[in-house]
Amino acid sequence: AQSVAQPEDQVNVAEGNPLTVKCTYSVSGNPYLFWYVQYPNRGLQFLLKYITGDNLVKGSYGFEAEFNKSQTSFHLKKPSALVSDSALYFCAVKNNNNDMRFGAGTRLTVKP
Amino acid sequence: GAGVSQSPSNKVTEKGKDVELRCDPISGHTALYWYRQSLGQGLEFLIYFQGNSAPDKSGLPSDRFSAERTGGSVSTLTIQRTQQEDSAVYLCASSLGYEGETQYFGPGTRLLVL
Repeated sequence: AQSVAQPEDQVNVAEGNPLTVKCTYSVSGNPYLFWYVQYPNRGLQFLLKYITGDNLVKGSYGFEAEFNKSQTSFHLKKPSALVSDSALYFCAVKNNNNDMRFGAGTRLTVKP
Repeated sequence: GAGVSQSPSNKVTEKGKDVELRCDPISGHTALYWYRQSLGQGLEFLIYFQGNSAPDKSGLPSDRFSAERTGGSVSTLTIQRTQQEDSAVYLCASSLGYEGETQYFGPGTRLLVL
């Protein structure tokens, strides 16, 4: 069965600095990889996904993620963090059978 | 168009009672998922329905948990003889069911077992 690891429970960055939220995965077959964000007291919102093609995927709110097959990683990045980016971020992987699994989440805090 | 809806939004119950949580997926979505999120924690997969196939129940934590999906649309998650550790936010998501399709989440049902 597929699985996702988010090695950092918490990431702290200063506003204006670049941010990275890490994700590694394990899946048999082609991976479909996703990032979701959850703001306080809100539901999960889709950010971006990798299906096939270009390894660099651009998504909502200026976020992007790079698929690295050799390292089985799909790290989320943003060149310049905003305080409003502070939230809980989830990485997820789906297999060919459309079965989806989420990581434990990483809490991002952006300080002014 | 309408997104995934869930009801009730909040449910408070006493230990030992049964509860039913409802999910209305986006129209036309053949795949439906239930997850559980404890306070500040990640998403725990519970069950997955895909069209008319047998559901993947591998995430259900005990036999007190069950789910149905009637007519390929609305789903009900039932928790029997609730325990305090069942307190969590129960999230439902749906997707078109094709490979790589995005899941769209409902707002969740916040369950508190006293």
